[in-house]
Amino acid sequence: EPEVTQTPSHQVTQMGQEVILRCVPISNHLYFYWYRQILGQKVEFLVSFYNNEISEKSEIFDDQFSVERPDGSNFTLKIRSTKLEDSAMYFCASSAGGRSNQPQHFGDGTRLSIL
Amino acid sequence: GDSVTQMEGPVTLSEEAFLTINCTYTATGYPSLFWYVQYPGEGLQLLLKATKADDKGSNKGFEATYRKETTSFHLEKGSVQVSDSAVYFCAPSNFGNEKLTFGTGTRLTIIP
Repeated sequence: EPEVTQTPSHQVTQMGQEVILRCVPISNHLYFYWYRQILGQKVEFLVSFYNNEISEKSEIFDDQFSVERPDGSNFTLKIRSTKLEDSAMYFCASSAGGRSNQPQHFGDGTRLSIL
Repeated sequence: GDSVTQMEGPVTLSEEAFLTINCTYTATGYPSLFWYVQYPGEGLQLLLKATKADDKGSNKGFEATYRKETTSFHLEKGSVQVSDSAVYFCAPSNFGNEKLTFGTGTRLTIIP
């Protein structure tokens, strides 16, 4: 069964540094998402992306965050200047359609640790 | 905005016990409803879904029925196994609104 893959599985970065989290969505999917889960808390929506532009973003997704689909397969999340509170598990997801009955398929996540 | 209230965990049960994890939601319109499961060290996996009122989603012995009148989508399993130990998340998704709104998650531990 096709799956969403994320790299790296664990990223350790100094505060203030830029970090790029990478995702390869399922190949025929058109809608892409990033979520994060701070340790012990709920999974929170960050951003959705379709047709090379952001469809929706949450309050968490401020100017320090950006997303990009640089080629036909990758979907990246960049944090420009990381803060301690950015430490979390980041999940990428993709779906075949934007209708709410199309399930989102998640990757295994990237654990981001900011020192 | 959308919100989900999920049964607080952790929940510990013996193998072959009956499981219920409660979930109620508030959402505009007529959302689709999902249960996701997160096994230790893994990402979120879709467990089951229901897209309209009175639909029953089922998978791996788990079931949940879309109850519009009580805005609930409780997860049930008749006989749990040790391999069901995981964190379970309830999530509605609003029509025309792509994001999933997750509950806090319920950690389930099954002991032999």
